[in-house]
Amino acid sequence: KNQVEQSPQSLIILEGKNCTLQCNYTVSPFSNLRWYKQDTGRGPVSLTIMTFSENTKSNGRYTATLDADTKQSSLHITASQLSDSASYICVVIPPSGGSYIPTFGRGTSLIVHP
Amino acid sequence: GAVVSQHPSRVICKSGTSVKIECRSLDFQATTMFWYRQFPKKSLMLMATSNEGSKATYEQGVEKDKFLINHASLTLSTLTVTSAHPEDSSFYICSASLGGSSYEQYFGPGTRLTVT
Repeated sequence: KNQVEQSPQSLIILEGKNCTLQCNYTVSPFSNLRWYKQDTGRGPVSLTIMTFSENTKSNGRYTATLDADTKQSSLHITASQLSDSASYICVVIPPSGGSYIPTFGRGTSLIVHP
Repeated sequence: GAVVSQHPSRVICKSGTSVKIECRSLDFQATTMFWYRQFPKKSLMLMATSNEGSKATYEQGVEKDKFLINHASLTLSTLTVTSAHPEDSSFYICSASLGGSSYEQYFGPGTRLTVT
């Protein structure tokens, strides 16, 4: 069964600190891997999209990495802000023409304290 | 970026009634729309995929007669929860894309359904 596992489940950090969230997946092959930010009671918002051939993708203070050999991705947040408090979800998208079903991780809940 | 809206954002209904949730792509034409439900502290679970003008494809375990999906135009999809029960209470999220799941999915803000 295709799975996307995220760690840690929750994380508390102080404002201004950096943090790294992990995503391990077994989905193979895949079209792309995405990281989303979901605020409580809101829909997910895309942070990064990486194809299997990309190693890194940045979006402001967010940098995602991908190692297709080890099937691992990480999301690094630099100089955290209070507004970064949210759930971060890793999603693996299968190739088009295949099962069509994206596989979502359960998310990492990040809390940034002042 | 592309904007997807949902209406209503919150709804409370009594058991046995039906509730309709609308999902609109505001500035692009969405060939495909997806409906998800999300329980507290859980991952999004895909319920169904709908393409404009055709019947929705439901995921295993999702009752198509209970969760009616209509994708009548390239900018509007509706999810109707029929004969709602308290266990249907959940956060329902739609997303829209220009093509299939390999394309960027733009998510709506979600609809909180509470069935009393």
